[in-house]
Amino acid sequence: DAGVIQSPRHEVTEMGQEVTLRCKPISGHNSLFWYRQTMMRGLELLIYFNNNVPIDDSGMPEDRFSAKMPNASFSTLKIQPSEPRDSAVYFCASSGTDRTIQYFGAGTRLSVL
Amino acid sequence: KNEVEQSPQNLTAQEGEFITINCSYSVGISALHWLQQHPGGGIVSLFMLSSGKKKHGRLIATINIQEKHSSLHITASHPRDSAVYICAVRFVETSGSRLTFGEGTQLTVNP
Repeated sequence: DAGVIQSPRHEVTEMGQEVTLRCKPISGHNSLFWYRQTMMRGLELLIYFNNNVPIDDSGMPEDRFSAKMPNASFSTLKIQPSEPRDSAVYFCASSGTDRTIQYFGAGTRLSVL
Repeated sequence: KNEVEQSPQNLTAQEGEFITINCSYSVGISALHWLQQHPGGGIVSLFMLSSGKKKHGRLIATINIQEKHSSLHITASHPRDSAVYICAVRFVETSGSRLTFGEGTQLTVNP
């Protein structure tokens, strides 16, 4: 199994631009999580999906952030418009159910200039 | 307030030493995770436990529900164990599967 696949690995963009981060969970996993990691705040859950349905999005910072999971094998996290304070590493994780071990992708390092 | 505290924040050891990293939390939980973040940034789940003790190779995780405390032990530490170790819990009060993370413990094992 290839594990959780995230793309791109690195993204550098200018303030105001739209950013789309992508995630392919492990096949057969029913839960998908988006996390953000910064030096100041550590790891934070942004949103998670169960069976493609958003369950808890209370961690999404503001309306500029949106996440979708159109099918069981793909999810996106979009930031529009991006701001320098969005610079962070964004991790996607998946698990068999929402109560089991989570497997993390390699992360996307986002820099907004 | 639902909090997770780890100690120590930084730990330096010599190869072969026995390592203990601690995690305390404020209220009841339904599960606790130990994660390892490598210097390159990748995150690996080490354990998920809700009671007792789990062992995998040189790693041992224990949890005491009454004391709201968990420990991660590494026996015969090796330089390749150098990483950030993160404790994360799912509080009973929290609906769904939201995890609350500790700040992490930076472990450096010198040869």
